[in-house]
Amino acid sequence: DTGVSQNPRHKITKRGQNVTFRCDPISEHNRLYWYRQTLGQGPEFLTYFQNEAQLEKSRLLSDRFSAERPKGSFSTLEIQRTEQGDSAMYLCASTRMGLAGGEQFFGPGTRLTVL
Amino acid sequence: QKEVEQDPGPLSVPEGAIVSLNCTYSNSAFQYFMWYRQYSRKGPELLMYTYSSGNKEDGRFTAQVDKSSKYISLFIRDSQPSDSATYLCAMSANTGGFKTIFGAGTRLFVKA
Repeated sequence: DTGVSQNPRHKITKRGQNVTFRCDPISEHNRLYWYRQTLGQGPEFLTYFQNEAQLEKSRLLSDRFSAERPKGSFSTLEIQRTEQGDSAMYLCASTRMGLAGGEQFFGPGTRLTVL
Repeated sequence: QKEVEQDPGPLSVPEGAIVSLNCTYSNSAFQYFMWYRQYSRKGPELLMYTYSSGNKEDGRFTAQVDKSSKYISLFIRDSQPSDSATYLCAMSANTGGFKTIFGAGTRLFVKA
């Protein structure tokens, strides 16, 4: 399977703990996006990378959130001191420059539950 | 006011019906318009993509964009129970790395 993969698929944690999610994009895609989706809502943009450079961050991305893409391949999203309001599906998407309109291909998501 | 408005439904139709899904938007800079299908507890799947105004057809699916009215539509002909899912409209501009703004999604149920 050469699609976008995300791990873990599910994460249950206690409030105050740190969590880290991983995204492996489609191999030739140089742009990678993180979104958050809560029940009954569409995905909300969090941040995106072009290669290893983080080019934009949403206001939704508080200082407890950090994302990296160290070698321009996989990416990690870390949430420190989790809060119950962080419970959501975290989605990763990728695309490559030259794809008209930046059509994005999504992974299956990581569902986070903060108790 | 949200940048993209989409009726969350649910929308329930009998098998074989024509389904019409719609979104409105406020940002005139949007040039790229997408429809994604999302099954429960799965990631969104790109269904249709349209650039600027016009129509695009792919099998049973037709996407329409009217930039003058800031209105986009997705039509599903001969709907099937397997079409039951949430349909998300999405749009982006040729700036900011094609950051995509999504509607809230419309839940569709197609009854056999």
